[in-house]
Amino acid sequence: AQTVTQSQPEMSVQEAETVTLSCTYDTSENNYYLFWYKQPPSRQMILVIRQEAYKQQNATENRFSVNFQKAAKSFSLKISDSQLGDTAMYFCAFRANSGYALNFGKGTSLLVTP
Amino acid sequence: ETGVTQSPTHLIKTRGQQVTLRCSSQSGHNTVSWYQQALGQGPQFIFQYYREEENGRGNFPPRFSGLQFPNYSSELNVNALELDDSALYLCASSLGGHNQPQHFGDGTRLSIL
Repeated sequence: AQTVTQSQPEMSVQEAETVTLSCTYDTSENNYYLFWYKQPPSRQMILVIRQEAYKQQNATENRFSVNFQKAAKSFSLKISDSQLGDTAMYFCAFRANSGYALNFGKGTSLLVTP
Repeated sequence: ETGVTQSPTHLIKTRGQQVTLRCSSQSGHNTVSWYQQALGQGPQFIFQYYREEENGRGNFPPRFSGLQFPNYSSELNVNALELDDSALYLCASSLGGHNQPQHFGDGTRLSIL
């Protein structure tokens, strides 16, 4: 079974600053995908960024980037130039190539303040 | 491109009743997954349908069942509702294949009294 752990229940950052959200996971699989999803109060789960485990290069999407450390089973999300609209719950998720389910962590609530 | 749509938005039921939640997948997507998100928790995988067949199931009892139709829309049925079934139910659609990202709807908020 795969488990995903997000150790920061809540975080706060000032507008225009940089923040890093942590995620660790446990798996015996070698081929898998990792994701960060954002869930604003509107409830819709929005894909922020994804990483294929076989790729060594860290994924980047505009202001969002990840630090993927496969040996340490760590997958952190860095948000640069934080904006008020980034305020949301952020979920780290794992999906093995051998399975179908997304396994989510409990989430980190991020508040961006003016 | 039409996104994933779910209905109804909110629903209130009492213990022992049955409920049906509906999901229309994003245009072109043939795979639908359902998740239960309890308050303050991450979503938990219920099951997945691919081309009208259930091809994966999480740790949920048989009173959680589903259907997928030829147009790839889907239903989640829950029988004998319990208080712990109160949650946000999320539907996600994708193209078949493990490397395809899942796109989520806004969810149905189910409250059991």
